[in-house]
Amino acid sequence: GENVEQHPSTLSVQEGDSAVIKCTYSDSASNYFPWYKQELGKRPQLIIDIRSNVGEKKDQRIAVTLNKTAKHFSLHITETQPEDSAVYFCAAPLRTGNQFYFGTGTSLTVIP
Amino acid sequence: EPEVTQTPSHQVTQMGQEVILRCVPISNHLYFYWYRQILGQKVEFLVSFYNNEISEKSEIFDDQFSVERPDGSNFTLKIRSTKLEDSAMYFCASSREDTNTGELFFGEGSRLTVL
Repeated sequence: GENVEQHPSTLSVQEGDSAVIKCTYSDSASNYFPWYKQELGKRPQLIIDIRSNVGEKKDQRIAVTLNKTAKHFSLHITETQPEDSAVYFCAAPLRTGNQFYFGTGTSLTVIP
Repeated sequence: EPEVTQTPSHQVTQMGQEVILRCVPISNHLYFYWYRQILGQKVEFLVSFYNNEISEKSEIFDDQFSVERPDGSNFTLKIRSTKLEDSAMYFCASSREDTNTGELFFGEGSRLTVL
């Protein structure tokens, strides 16, 4: 199956600083890469996604970059706020099957 | 905005008992999924379902698990004989397209506690 690795597992930043979370994947045929945010006790919710025909996508304070050659993609959060504190998961699909594999998650804490 | 709904939100059961978790996917979606999340761990794929049959399943999805779409709206996960290690949050998800193109929409989850 798809092997998705995510780093770091925990991340603490001061409010206003930037946060970067990185994921690598193994299936070179994957071409859709979402990021999910999960607050404590809640369901994962999509915050941004990118398809393989672009290298970067931005939505206000959130951006995702994709390097298909190196098979990694990153989540960038700028001007972090306390409400950004959550667990973030990347995911990548297995091209030959109908399933997403999730990374191990990054617990982000934004310190006011 | 349409969303995936799941019942029950929390179920407590004795080891060895059968459990059925229910989901109503978004109505125009074609692909359905069950995922599991043990407390504090990552979201793990169990099974995907398309065109009234299982399209993919993981190693976790062994013979004690089954899925069914008994009517046009419900999608169920049955655990035949629960074990302590089945305690987890179970998320149902649906998508309009397959996983290489489409967003997964998750339900709120069903927390299963096996005693």
